[in-house]
Amino acid sequence: AQKITQTQPGMFVQEKEAVTLDCTYDTSDPSYGLFWYKQPSSGEMIFLIYQGSYDQQNATEGRYSLNFQKARKSANLVISASQLGDSAMYFCAMRYTDKLIFGTGTRLQVFP
Amino acid sequence: DTEVTQTPKHLVMGMTNKKSLKCEQHMGHRAMYWYKQKAKKPPELMFVYSYEKLSINESVPSRFSPECPNSSLLNLHLHALQPEDSALYLCASSQVLMGQGAETQYFGPGTRLLVL
Repeated sequence: AQKITQTQPGMFVQEKEAVTLDCTYDTSDPSYGLFWYKQPSSGEMIFLIYQGSYDQQNATEGRYSLNFQKARKSANLVISASQLGDSAMYFCAMRYTDKLIFGTGTRLQVFP
Repeated sequence: DTEVTQTPKHLVMGMTNKKSLKCEQHMGHRAMYWYKQKAKKPPELMFVYSYEKLSINESVPSRFSPECPNSSLLNLHLHALQPEDSALYLCASSQVLMGQGAETQYFGPGTRLLVL
């Protein structure tokens, strides 16, 4: 069965430090897509980064990079140089057929 | 521009009321989605529209009625809701249905619904 697992309910990081948010997935489909979204307390889900299962290189978008390890079925999000505004809930998600399956989320808190 | 707008931002309604949530996008996307999100949980898919036709209904109770009047607009009509329906309702759109190409879903800011 298709499944996304985020094992860290909460993470703390100091401003300007890097942080890694873990995500593992399970699927038997060779074609899939992996996404990370940020949800601040305001509620909006903000798209951060995407990795396709056939992409050879790890995706990067500004301070966000996705550490894609296909054999280990992991798609960890790395945020470099954390900022106070990065404090939010982060969801990993996977496309399965025509749907998005979400993990349970990790709450990141950035402190000065 | 990846903007999806939703109105209203907040809604309080009684169990006998009828109300509607509205979602709009002008990105030319042909797939639109409704999600329900309870506090501290991930979003749950409710409905998917593709080219203005209902593609997926995730066994949602009939007190929720979606409508897609045109390619830019998605409504969710609410009638005789229960207090347990109180949640954040998120709308999203993507260029086409997931699995058919450009598949990133862009979300709106959501409507916080409270049913009394």
